[in-house]
Amino acid sequence: EIVLTQSPATLSLSPGERATLSCRASQSVSSYLAWYQQTPGQAPRLLIYDASNRATGIPARFSGSGSGTDFTLTISSLEPEDFAVYYCQQRSNWPITFGQGTRLEIK
Amino acid sequence: QVQLQESGPGLVKPSGTLSLTCAVSGGSISSSNWWSWIRQPPGKGLEWIGEIYHVGSTNYNPSLKSRVTISVDKSKNQFSLRLSSVTAADTALYYCAKKGGYSYGYGFDIWGQGTMVTVSS
Repeated sequence: EIVLTQSPATLSLSPGERATLSCRASQSVSSYLAWYQQTPGQAPRLLIYDASNRATGIPARFSGSGSGTDFTLTISSLEPEDFAVYYCQQRSNWPITFGQGTRLEIK
Repeated sequence: QVQLQESGPGLVKPSGTLSLTCAVSGGSISSSNWWSWIRQPPGKGLEWIGEIYHVGSTNYNPSLKSRVTISVDKSKNQFSLRLSSVTAADTALYYCAKKGGYSYGYGFDIWGQGTMVTVSS
């Protein structure tokens, strides 16, 4: 099973700042990595697929990069609605696995 | 726009069987998509349980495989989850989700709202 390790566990920033979230895989997942956003009481929402492709309707301030074992989700300028928990997920190997999440909180 | 809605008992006794259904609306379950179950224990992260294709092909998480059955009912446009021999560790918010096709990198692009299942006597 591929283990995804996200860092930091919690990130405290202010609106307007740039957020950089990391996801590291225990072995190469090529570019088969997705990112999700989960706000309280809501189901996760697909943000990025295949490492760098924004899903339909996702604002351009969200971007993804990386390949192999190291991936980054960047939010260029934080909006109030961006404060949430973010998960990465790989589909390179069975079973599909998720990272433990990064909580992005308002500073 | 496809929508998913989970339903089933919110309380299951230890050693019993958890049974949930996911109703698909706004689209056909026979479309070229995989349909998944994912769970989230309270305050924790996401765990993929398994998935099914409309012809009945399935993939399961090895950690749960001996206890899980996912099935599809095309006549009702829904799919179901059965998890046997449950313990308190199976207490979680259970989501059904649609895996997007190639154009979505097979990410989970549509989710149900989730249904909470508690295992307790």
